[in-house]
Amino acid sequence: EAGVAQSPRYKIIEKRQSVAFWCNPISGHATLYWYQQILGQGPKLLIQFQNNGVVDDSQLPKDRFSAERLKGVDSTLKIQPAKLEDSAVYLCASSLDGSSNYGYTFGSGTRLTVV
Amino acid sequence: AQSVTQLDSQVPVFEEAPVELRCNYSSSVSVYLFWYVQYPNQGLQLLLKYLSGSTLVKGINGFEAEFNKSQTSFHLRKPSVHISDTAEYFCAVSPTSGTYKYIFGTGTRLKVLA
Repeated sequence: EAGVAQSPRYKIIEKRQSVAFWCNPISGHATLYWYQQILGQGPKLLIQFQNNGVVDDSQLPKDRFSAERLKGVDSTLKIQPAKLEDSAVYLCASSLDGSSNYGYTFGSGTRLTVV
Repeated sequence: AQSVTQLDSQVPVFEEAPVELRCNYSSSVSVYLFWYVQYPNQGLQLLLKYLSGSTLVKGINGFEAEFNKSQTSFHLRKPSVHISDTAEYFCAVSPTSGTYKYIFGTGTRLKVLA
């Protein structure tokens, strides 16, 4: 089966600019996650979708980050305006139904550098 | 709340030697336990998981891990490593009920030397 697709792979922007990342999960996977992985740290959950509804966005900085999952398939994560500390790899993952015993399938990530 | 501690940020080991990557966790509820591997410029790939049953879990690429409830540990082992095992390894926990979200450790960079 095809994996989780993410684009772009790399992005360099200046602080205060805006940026968007795209994720296409595995077909049929109801649950989609966005994680932020800062260099030297483990991934941190930003937001979890179940179909097109938000399950958990408690760690999403809502003053600058937004995410949507239209029609319960693709998802976009946006940052506006970006700060230097947003430099990180943004990982998208999907799972069949959100129960963790299946494990997640991760995409290759988008590496964001804010200068 | 849950937390995961990976005490070793880097582990150098010679090829064909055994290796153990340590993981300790803290949780007030029952958790599932996972190990993921991340090769350079790639996403995370599931190595193995403990859900229930036998405390010794075997995964892909010859890795295994042992769940120790009394010591709240889930250490990852491989009897003989290869150059291709060089990567970042993440331990993670997830509650067995509720939101199921993962809490990751900070990772251990395994460097296999020739």
